[in-house]
Amino acid sequence: GENVEQHPSTLSVQEGDSAVIKCTYSDSASNYFPWYKQELGKRPQLIIDIRSNVGEKKDQRIAVTLNKTAKHFSLHITETQPEDSAVYFCAASKYSAGTASKLTFGTGTRLQVTL
Amino acid sequence: NAGVTQTPKFQVLKTGQSMTLQCAQDMNHNSMYWYRQDPGMGLRLIYYSASEGTTDKGEVPNGYNVSRLNKREFSLRLESAAPSQTSVYFCASSHRDRVPPLHFGNGTRLTVT
Repeated sequence: GENVEQHPSTLSVQEGDSAVIKCTYSDSASNYFPWYKQELGKRPQLIIDIRSNVGEKKDQRIAVTLNKTAKHFSLHITETQPEDSAVYFCAASKYSAGTASKLTFGTGTRLQVTL
Repeated sequence: NAGVTQTPKFQVLKTGQSMTLQCAQDMNHNSMYWYRQDPGMGLRLIYYSASEGTTDKGEVPNGYNVSRLNKREFSLRLESAAPSQTSVYFCASSHRDRVPPLHFGNGTRLTVT
């Protein structure tokens, strides 16, 4: 089955700096890569996702890049703010229309943005 | 819309007791999932239901059973709880016919003593 590795497990940055979280996956057939943000005591919520036919996607201060050859993808957060402090999870799945999307998650990165 | 609703929010069980976690979604999604979240291990898939009437095992199904009661509801049952099942359980749903995301419920924090 799919295996997703995520690094680092913890990341501390100063407000205004950039943060990068990296994930690798094992199954070359995986084609959907979402990122979830989980605040303390809350549910995971999707912040951005990318499909395998796209190399990069941006949404304001957040961007995700995908390298299919190397089987890795990364989350980039620019101009970090205290409210970005949370645990971030990457995930991967083989999606096809009409089937369930069984996401395999990484183990999470705890991001702390300090003032 | 409430989205994905889970009950209860908290539960304490003794070893060997049984219980059912309830999940309902009002987004007309076809697929539903149960994940467990443990410190340092991310979210792991227990069971999923691609559509009403079907269920399949995920990564960590041992000790659990599920029922897809109808399109809206997907329950998770622990027949004989063990301390290793202490975890936070999340139900999620997604649309089957377009690129998902998964929409998660607020979770059930279960402690087995």
